[in-house]
Amino acid sequence: GAVVSQHPSWVICKSGTSVKIECRSLDFQATTMFWYRQFPKQSLMLMATSNEGSKATYEQGVEKDKFLINHASLTLSTLTVTSAHPEDSSFYICSARHPETQYFGPGTRLLVL
Amino acid sequence: AQSVTQPDIHITVSEGASLELRCNYSYGATPYLFWYVQSPGQGLQLLLKYFSGDTLVQGIKGFEAEFKRSQSSFNLRKPSVHWSDAAEYFCAVGDPNAGKSTFGDGTTLTVKP
Repeated sequence: GAVVSQHPSWVICKSGTSVKIECRSLDFQATTMFWYRQFPKQSLMLMATSNEGSKATYEQGVEKDKFLINHASLTLSTLTVTSAHPEDSSFYICSARHPETQYFGPGTRLLVL
Repeated sequence: AQSVTQPDIHITVSEGASLELRCNYSYGATPYLFWYVQSPGQGLQLLLKYFSGDTLVQGIKGFEAEFKRSQSSFNLRKPSVHWSDAAEYFCAVGDPNAGKSTFGDGTTLTVKP
């Protein structure tokens, strides 16, 4: 139980384009999901907290207009990287809260050329 | 503010030897504590968690952890390490109210044959 999926698992895009990453809780409902970014050999950096039916809460220093988060249902949150640039290349991981524990997706590797 | 310290950046043990990964936390109340494992290019898998009660917690894959309030520690142990245990290990402290967790910087475990 408590399985979280992410799609796509990896994506390559051109600079200036937008990329959408999906995070789904497969066997439970999650009112709260989290989006992280992880640089090579580093810990997870929390980007934002996604709440179903309301606006996401962004961590300090994270551009909310660049990283758009939508939590439209109890099983789906999406992260859209708008006008992506090479510095946005990273490993993006989502997690879903159930009920007091975070369960993580497998991650999405984004490469912006 | 809550924080987590994993003092050991990298640990190498021989296969079959015992393992202890250290984790110290800072939190104002009784924390929620977690250990996760991450294989290269993958998401995080929950090994075990502590919310309350028995301070010795059993997890998956033969891991256990002991909560010591007096030392603000939550060290992870395994009596006999397998080569497949080589991975990155993250300790995390959770905020019961906000639902989000703070992660340590991680400990890389290498297993020698």
